[in-house]
Amino acid sequence: RKEVEQDPGPFNVPEGATVAFNCTYSNSASQSFFWYRQDCRKEPKLLMSVYSSGNEDGRFTAQLNRASQYISLLIRDSKLSDSATYLCVAIGNAGKSTFGDGTTLTVKP
Amino acid sequence: NAGVMQNPRHLVRRRGQEARLRCSPMKGHSHVYWYRQLPEEGLKFMVYLQKENIIDESGMPKERFSAEFPKEGPSILRIQQVVRGDSAAYFCASSRQTNTDTQYFGPGTRLTVL
Repeated sequence: RKEVEQDPGPFNVPEGATVAFNCTYSNSASQSFFWYRQDCRKEPKLLMSVYSSGNEDGRFTAQLNRASQYISLLIRDSKLSDSATYLCVAIGNAGKSTFGDGTTLTVKP
Repeated sequence: NAGVMQNPRHLVRRRGQEARLRCSPMKGHSHVYWYRQLPEEGLKFMVYLQKENIIDESGMPKERFSAEFPKEGPSILRIQQVVRGDSAAYFCASSRQTNTDTQYFGPGTRLTVL
């Protein structure tokens, strides 16, 4: 079993749709969590941090559930420019970062 | 305010040669991380370094790979006697202070082994 698991997708949605991604992690000692997006295998770019209290940034909402060991990302009102691969990452207290393999999203007109 | 810098952006080596990849962290960042992304695969952690110290190298292959982050200058990922399976994108990231801070990625070095 992978330490961080994501549904690889692909998710194909129309513009304006709401889409949700989940990510589970196995290391209960993980300290911090983030969502990144990666376009065409360029460098990952930080999307947002993830907290138990939730984190909202415009159309994006991220949530952490420590009891169930999963994090989620919700994208509302999808835009064509949201098409990318979304990576979740769990960071342990010693600094080791474990990325999921990514979920591919394609938003279509 | 330059971001994370990596060079070269593209590197071609023949089997058996050495590859040296460089990473300069963002200004004020003292933590550096190296990742490898093989074609059609996810991002895999290799090593985490602070100045002059390797903190966690659990993701590094046991042979041919080494990393350093000297007191002065960039971090270096060195691959000796490269093989075709080393062809990948190598990304460096840096963070400011603690090891759980946000990591910012450089543009990567695409290594091709002929």
